[in-house]
Amino acid sequence: EVQLVESGGGLVQPGRSLRLSCAASGFTFDDYAMHWVRQAPGKGLEWVSGISWNRGSIGYADSVKGRFAISRDNAKNSLYLQMNSLRGEDTALYYCAKALSAKSSIAGLPGYWGHGTLVTVSS
Amino acid sequence: QSVLTQPPSASGTPGQRVTISCSGSRSNIGNNYIYWYQQLPGTAPKLLIYRNNQRPSGVPDRFSGSKSDTSASLAISGLRSEDEADYYCAAWDDSLSGRMVFGGGTKLTVL
Repeated sequence: EVQLVESGGGLVQPGRSLRLSCAASGFTFDDYAMHWVRQAPGKGLEWVSGISWNRGSIGYADSVKGRFAISRDNAKNSLYLQMNSLRGEDTALYYCAKALSAKSSIAGLPGYWGHGTLVTVSS
Repeated sequence: QSVLTQPPSASGTPGQRVTISCSGSRSNIGNNYIYWYQQLPGTAPKLLIYRNNQRPSGVPDRFSGSKSDTSASLAISGLRSEDEADYYCAAWDDSLSGRMVFGGGTKLTVL
């Protein structure tokens, strides 16, 4: 059974940093592109970043480019999101999501989502 | 403002057929597959339709998807109370350096 478990969220002041983690199990992690997608309270879904199975392609939403960095450790079956210079508008539930198809680029959309970790940016 | 355009709300009575539209452009729906996600209240999104009209195992055949040029639609037939949820369309967008784009979501109410 596919499992994606996010962690690392919490309350952080504007301008500070936070690192999110996603522990994956139940599938061959290094075969799949992975994504971070966020959802602000009461709002819709917004793609944040994606990384291909072999790290050959990485992409970011314009709203986080230059502030966030996605990475993966295939040996640890883990996905990460380093978030710097956080702003109030970054407040959201952050979902880790697995691409539907194996060996896809970051253009491969999610087939499975974790339950999310909440990030609140406030002074 | 979402890149893909969906109606904010839709409704129907049990047993009815409802459709939810999703409008985009050449760089997203026109050139790439459309995906649909269902988000029940308080839960994570769940894949409902992939590659325009394919259903993952476990998704009832009451749900169907279609795509034409730069628009897509999700149809739900035999509406049930448990279908009350938010529905999102999504696609890859080839413009700029590439990005995943979503519709703003449609809240489906079963009357």
